[in-house]
Amino acid sequence: DQQVKQNSPSLSVQEGRISILNCDYTNSMFDYFLWYKKYPAEGPTFLISISSIKDKNEDGRFTVFLNKSAKHLSLHIVPSQPGDSAVYFCAASGSSNTGKLIFGQGTTLQVKP
Amino acid sequence: NAGVTQTPKFRILKIGQSMTLQCTQDMNHNYMYWYRQDPGMGLKLIYYSVGAGITDKGEVPNGYNVSRSTTEDFPLRLELAAPSQTSVYFCASSRISTGGLNQPQHFGDGTRLSIL
Repeated sequence: DQQVKQNSPSLSVQEGRISILNCDYTNSMFDYFLWYKKYPAEGPTFLISISSIKDKNEDGRFTVFLNKSAKHLSLHIVPSQPGDSAVYFCAASGSSNTGKLIFGQGTTLQVKP
Repeated sequence: NAGVTQTPKFRILKIGQSMTLQCTQDMNHNYMYWYRQDPGMGLKLIYYSVGAGITDKGEVPNGYNVSRSTTEDFPLRLELAAPSQTSVYFCASSRISTGGLNQPQHFGDGTRLSIL
């Protein structure tokens, strides 16, 4: 049972354009969502998060949108840069106070110069 | 500024052998986690710990054991290695949840384990 799904295995965009990465979840008890970025041979790096009490969170070029009714979140990167090429993981957490995360399968983003 | 350090980076084991994957963090984080990532898949939680002396199972604990004797260290033990345990293993740590919100996890660079 995949509780967090990233249905697009890969995405290719042109430098300077917008990248939109999508994530769906099934568990309505999730209340905290994160995006991680991963380069080859490195561990995931925290990028941005959003609490379920918000519908948008912005940090520089990165914005995460949360649609609770649709159980959907998205990460927007504007403008996209070649250095953004990486695997992006969506993750979700419930209110267990243990910090446990459920990860999606990841989306590989390629930003072409 | 080490963060989360995992050793070894690579290892090849024979079926039935045992080994310990080491993980240490220098951020004084209470929470620590072990994940495995199979090709084309997301990370799956093996075990986690909310403090020294306290451990609990995650999604995929079978075939593994952990201990947490100090805040800094959280080793993962494979007792009887099986081909299905070939994977990349990531250790992570985070601060205690505050204000009802979980804190982001900080990851090590992983251990690539092959069992033949």
